[in-house]
Parts: sequence; C-alpha cells; structure tokens
Amino acid sequence: DAGITQSPRYKITETGRQVTLMCHQTWSHSYMFWYRQDLGHGLRLIYYSAAADITDKGEVPDGYVVSRSKTENFPLTLESATRSQTSVYFCASSVGLAGVGEQFFGPGTRLTVL
Amino acid sequence: QKEVEQNSGPLSVPEGAIASLNCTYSDRGSQSFFWYRQYSGKSPELIMSIYSNGDKEDGRFTAQLNKASQYVSLLIRDSQPSDSATYLCAVNGNSGYALNFGKGTSLLVTP
Repeated sequence: DAGITQSPRYKITETGRQVTLMCHQTWSHSYMFWYRQDLGHGLRLIYYSAAADITDKGEVPDGYVVSRSKTENFPLTLESATRSQTSVYFCASSVGLAGVGEQFFGPGTRLTVL
Repeated sequence: QKEVEQNSGPLSVPEGAIASLNCTYSDRGSQSFFWYRQYSGKSPELIMSIYSNGDKEDGRFTAQLNKASQYVSLLIRDSQPSDSATYLCAVNGNSGYALNFGKGTSLLVTP
C-alpha cells in the first residue's frame, strides 16, 4: 500500500534550470494538490487538480506549471528555477467529497536552487 | 485573504498533562476543519477532522469547534514526549477543496 509518493526526495539545481517534481498516488483520489512549505509562511497552495485534465491555481502559482494527464500522477514543473523557489514541496491528495476534504500528504521533496 | 491563525509557541507541557492548542479562522463560510501533526523533517499527518459544532474525541485527542466564535481547538490528554511536534490547523472554505493552513503551533512535552 504505497499511498502517495514523491520523487525525487532531494534535489539540488541551479538558477534557470527546469525541474520537475513527481507525485504519484495509488488511492484513485480525484483531487491532488501541490504545496510549498517555508519558514515563516507555513504551507501555501501552489496548484490543485480536481480530476485528470482539470487544474487550477492556488495562492502562489507564479513560476510553476502542472499537468494531470492521468488520475494518479500530478507533476509540478519549475520552468526556470529561481533561488526563491528553494523550499520543501508537498504533494497531497483527497477523495474530494463535498464538505469533507481530508487531505493526505506525500513525504515531500526538498529542493535547493543555487 | 482567508486567514487561519495559530500561536506559534512553543507550548511546553509536562508529560501526562493536557495540551491545549488553539486556532481561529476568518472565513465564516468554512465547513471543514482539520488538525495535522508534523514532526521535524516529515510531512503533515492528519490526526483529527471536525465538521460540526461541539466536541469530537478520538483516543487521547479531542477536537472542539465553535463556528459562532470562529474557533477550533485540539486537546491532547495524557501528553507524551512523542507528541512533541508542530500542530497545523487547516480550514476548508466553501469555495472549493483547497485547505488554508495556519503556520502551526510547536508543542514540547517534557518528561
């Protein structure tokens, strides 16, 4: 029972490079989310997806791109990484029943942009 | 801006005592409320959810919700050193399934 996994777990990259963070869930949850967590800001929503091919912006979407061609996968791409995108990134998923919204988190990816 | 406010702490309690964690939220339309526990270097783990006014108990944890006061709390009875973590309050508004998180309260349970 893998649940929700993220890869890589750690990534170091350079400013200007493109980076893709992967997220995979085995629960067939409809909703998937990407958050970043930074000291002093807590968890902030980057993008979320209600189903395959349906995505929407969260609080801090600039500089990020998402896609969801399959229900189980929700990759996050940093098109041109900046130092301000150094953070811990969490993927989460939810069954998405109205009024419920319990979200379950992956283990996270620690990204450092030099 | 929908806000979820928590005291950052640290909240220090002795082993065996009751720890009380508090959270206020600004969106009156919020419908679902959650408490997550996050150990250092780990991901948030859901420990309680509550949807209606009153108390909800699960083992040593009790969540309390007061929508009129826009206030949600978490009580941890018989606190253990293993409860030492950051506790995140999260609120689901009526505009979608996204959660708004507080910045968390750091709890330290001392032996």
